[in-house]
Amino acid sequence: QSALTQPASVSGSPGQSITISCAGTSSDVGGYNYVSWYQQHPGKAPKLMIYDVNNRPSGVSNRFSGSKSGNTASLTISGLQAEDEADYYCASYTTSSTRVFGGGTKLTVL
Amino acid sequence: QVQLVQSGAEVKKPGASVKVSCKASGYTFTSYHMHWVRQAPGQGLEWIAIINPSGGSINYAQKFRGRVTVTGDTSTSTVYMELSSLTSEDTAVYYCARGARYFDLWGRGTLVTVSS
Repeated sequence: QSALTQPASVSGSPGQSITISCAGTSSDVGGYNYVSWYQQHPGKAPKLMIYDVNNRPSGVSNRFSGSKSGNTASLTISGLQAEDEADYYCASYTTSSTRVFGGGTKLTVL
Repeated sequence: QVQLVQSGAEVKKPGASVKVSCKASGYTFTSYHMHWVRQAPGQGLEWIAIINPSGGSINYAQKFRGRVTVTGDTSTSTVYMELSSLTSEDTAVYYCARGARYFDLWGRGTLVTVSS
């Protein structure tokens, strides 16, 4: 199972919006609405930000939203804030009943 | 308090095995699947395995099959991951994470260092 494809880095200024893509195949991202997104600050465990493509857990800001088209999922963060600077990972369920992560995207808030 | 408490850091020699534990508290252990995920230094997340504590079904990533064993103990609400034939490429932080379709609760991680 190959890792999902994410851009290595994205950046944006405070207040702007950014989108991080997560490309997979019909065996993972495209085959199921089971894509999730995680935020990870240095030295910390990942934190769930989006589940089942476009659902936010309680306590996660509504500035975070998810979507999917075909084999590619996306995470959008609007109204960028300094505290959003972190690494972001997507994950998906697969046809083998396993899970697969994306390679991760480093978000820099300029 | 809902949490996952992992065992402490380990240093192992190449060829050895390591067993990491993850104790769940604050929720019904058998109601949630548990995963193992690792992160090598400066690298991304890598999924290793999933166990259903209720019933014991287990699935492993192809990469680790034959080298990893995941078990669960419902009497202590603890899951274990044992990785054998360690090499320097297994140096990583190993996380347990709760959930089925997604991971909603994570342990703080266990650093496993493989060095001669």
